[in-house]
Order: sequence, then C-alpha cells, then structure tokens
Amino acid sequence: DAGVTQSPTHLIKTRGQQVTLRCSPKSGHDTVSWYQQALGQGPQFIFQYYEEEERQRGNFPDRFSGHQFPNYSSELNVNALLLGDSALYLCASRGPGEYEQYFGPGTRLTVT
Amino acid sequence: AQTVTQSQPEMSVQEAETVTLSCTYDTSESDYYLFWYKQPPSRQMILVIRQEAYKQQNATENRFSVNFQKAAKSFSLKISDSQLGDAAMYFCAISLSGTYKYIFGTGTRLKVLA
Repeated sequence: DAGVTQSPTHLIKTRGQQVTLRCSPKSGHDTVSWYQQALGQGPQFIFQYYEEEERQRGNFPDRFSGHQFPNYSSELNVNALLLGDSALYLCASRGPGEYEQYFGPGTRLTVT
Repeated sequence: AQTVTQSQPEMSVQEAETVTLSCTYDTSESDYYLFWYKQPPSRQMILVIRQEAYKQQNATENRFSVNFQKAAKSFSLKISDSQLGDAAMYFCAISLSGTYKYIFGTGTRLKVLA
C-alpha cells in the first residue's frame, strides 16, 4: 500500500516564476492538506481540500492556490515566487472518519 | 487561536536511557486531538503517538508514552529504552475536532548518544 507521494523531490525556481507541486494521497484517503515548513521551523498550514473544494485556509496570500482532482490527488500552485517561499512543502492526507494525517516526503523548493 | 510551545530546542539522551520531551498548548476549545510526530533527516513526518482530549488515560505505543495533563494544557512525550534510530526532530501538534488542520510547535531535536 503506497503512502502519500509527492513530486518533484527538489525544485529550483527564480523570483517571479510560478511553480506547481503535486501530491497523491494514501490509498483510501479523500482529504488533502498542504503545509509549508521553513528551515528550522514547524510546518505551517496552507490549506485543505475535500471533495475538490478548498475547505480551510491558513494565513497565506492568494499567490498560493490549489486544486483537488476526482481521484483525490492535489496540486499546490504558487505564483510570483518570492525568496521567502523557499521551504519544504509537505502534503498530508486523511481518510474518512480518521483524525490523524499521514505525510508525504515533501518537496524542497528553493527560490533564487 | 491555538498555539503550541516546545521549550526545548534540543535534547540529548544516552542509548537505552529514558528521555521526556515537553509540549504545552493553548486552546479555548474542549474537543481536540494532540499528536507527536517524528521527522528524521529523510524529512518525512511520521506519526509517533496521538491522544484524544476527551480520554483521561494516557496513550502508549510500545516505547513511547505521553503524560497528558488537560488542566495544565501539557502533553509531554516519554521515550523509553532510547535507540539510535530515535534521533530526529520531534514536533508536537494540536488539531481541533472537525477542522483536521494541525498547529505545530517549533520542534525539539533529539540526539541519541551511543
């Protein structure tokens, strides 16, 4: 049983560019959340998707957007990249009736 | 708003010994869940243990146990018989019932000495 998978593993972008990160949830899971983890910090909640809709959002600007597909996979898009967007981006999924989340290995984004 | 505080940036423990990691939190809600996650250098967050706030009994998972003090809003993690593979960053997190979003602390780096 595959766990949560994310792609790509690493990514280097230039300021002002746009980036798309991808996540496939654990089998049987229907809710996907995205977190940003800056170096030396705990993860910060970006947003959560369920039934292809954004259900909750953390304190992140509109440059951060997402999407969930019918197969429950999800994308995180960041526009107009800033140096401060450099971080590890974690995807987590949750199954129906469960309250714990399972995390993927993350995508390391570096903005230069 | 919920907050989670981990006051120990770094802890060290001798192999086979016991160590306790501290976590305090603040919330005005009564129905929530608490978690400890481990993040090794491979980066993947791994669930160590979870506790429902409505349960008075402390959760245990093999060598891992918690001391949950609801009135004091404290949720410490005890690791017994520490192993080299326990070395990692440990994060405490809270999630309100029905929201399922986590609020994390800043983490504690655990070093295990051979």
